[in-house]
Amino acid sequence: ETGVTQTPRHLVMGMTNKKSLKCEQHLGHNAMYWYKQSAKKPLELMFVYNFKEQTENNSVPSRFSPECPNSSHLFLHLHTLQPEDSALYLCASSRGGDLWVNEQFFGPGTRLTVL
Amino acid sequence: QQQVKQSPQSLIVQKGGISIINCAYENTAFDYFPWYQQFPGKGPALLIAIRPDVSEKKEGRFTISFNKSAKQFSLHIMDSQPGDSATYFCAALMNLYGGSQGNLIFGKGTKLSVKP
Repeated sequence: ETGVTQTPRHLVMGMTNKKSLKCEQHLGHNAMYWYKQSAKKPLELMFVYNFKEQTENNSVPSRFSPECPNSSHLFLHLHTLQPEDSALYLCASSRGGDLWVNEQFFGPGTRLTVL
Repeated sequence: QQQVKQSPQSLIVQKGGISIINCAYENTAFDYFPWYQQFPGKGPALLIAIRPDVSEKKEGRFTISFNKSAKQFSLHIMDSQPGDSATYFCAALMNLYGGSQGNLIFGKGTKLSVKP
């Protein structure tokens, strides 16, 4: 285990539903990330939080809404999604801070299917 | 350019053989090049990484070769084993000095199958 947990592991939702993905890290890190992994496409960075402040929003549609209440928890709130949003959503964390890249530790992901 | 181009898309190697996966980039500001390994049902995990001030880094059976002038880097898996069967991603990162943490740009991945 990497020390990054994600729930639920699988989620099926209709286009009119509202759901949330949860990520928790037990590594004492200060940066957390949401990625989208679709078949035959590179991992796409969606959001970055560094010390609870959002530092990156990679042109993500507003139907995805992140929340980072503290350095250990990260949520991704979903509403009125489209079938093309079906993918594996990965959370990652790293030591964070300025200047230096730190190794990113990934969770197992949430497999999302939008009907 | 922010892309990292990875090839091949899939690779089949016999047990004991050498697996080679290649990546190329265009942005010379990238300064950290990790490789991630992902098994089905798991998130990617850092395998090995290199900075452009060295041309090669070896960890066990895994070696990164880096060609700065060609803007290419590759992963070599020596004595490939069935347990190495996974998807491998190369990535590149540009540190953004001035307070913002750099973010990883990933290749599309290579699905490696090692046959017994």
